[in-house]
Amino acid sequence: DTAVSQTPKYLVTQMGNDKSIKCEQNLGHDTMYWYKQDSKKFLKIMFSYNNKELIINETVPNRFSPKSPDKAHLNLHINSLELGDSAVYFCASSLQGSAEAFFGQGTRLTVV
Amino acid sequence: QKEVEQDPGPLSVPEGAIVSLNCTYSNSAFQYFMWYRQYSRKGPELLMYTYSSGNKEDGRFTAQVDKSSKYISLFIRDSQPSDSATYLCAMSEGSTLGRLYFGRGTQLTVWP
Repeated sequence: DTAVSQTPKYLVTQMGNDKSIKCEQNLGHDTMYWYKQDSKKFLKIMFSYNNKELIINETVPNRFSPKSPDKAHLNLHINSLELGDSAVYFCASSLQGSAEAFFGQGTRLTVV
Repeated sequence: QKEVEQDPGPLSVPEGAIVSLNCTYSNSAFQYFMWYRQYSRKGPELLMYTYSSGNKEDGRFTAQVDKSSKYISLFIRDSQPSDSATYLCAMSEGSTLGRLYFGRGTQLTVWP
């Protein structure tokens, strides 16, 4: 039973399209995150939600909009996709007050 | 982002070798230190987690933190081909535990 699961695993789309990535965790954690890993494997935080409330919002274009319908889900919607958005996006979760984060398998987004 | 520096390698060693991986950092507020292992096309997997300075051992893996030098290490004893992966160091401040700052990762290959 996967702890942090993301869908889809692969996403190929054209510039200008809007797409969503879904994330679910069954660990009972109350904090969820989106990280972006660029082509050089560098992982950087984008957003963090705690109990459905946004607590971290890094310098990310406002074309990226996270949504957390409940503690177990954090989705990422991206508008007007650009070539530079191509990357692997990871969802993660942790307990509030813990630095131990558990990551999903990633969504490899390719914008053509 | 230069807060966490990590040599990307690649590092290639024979099976059975002792592997030493390390990271340096500049932010003295970091208190939590982690090592993640990431296999190709997979999500990062938490390997070791330490708080403040000191050593922690788990099987063949030993994590060391020297806060005075702002330097952390991961040692792998009796390395195995299955240890071949990218190793990412990550750090967190006490105030925003979930915000992890990652190194770029060191790609390790253990050949039989």
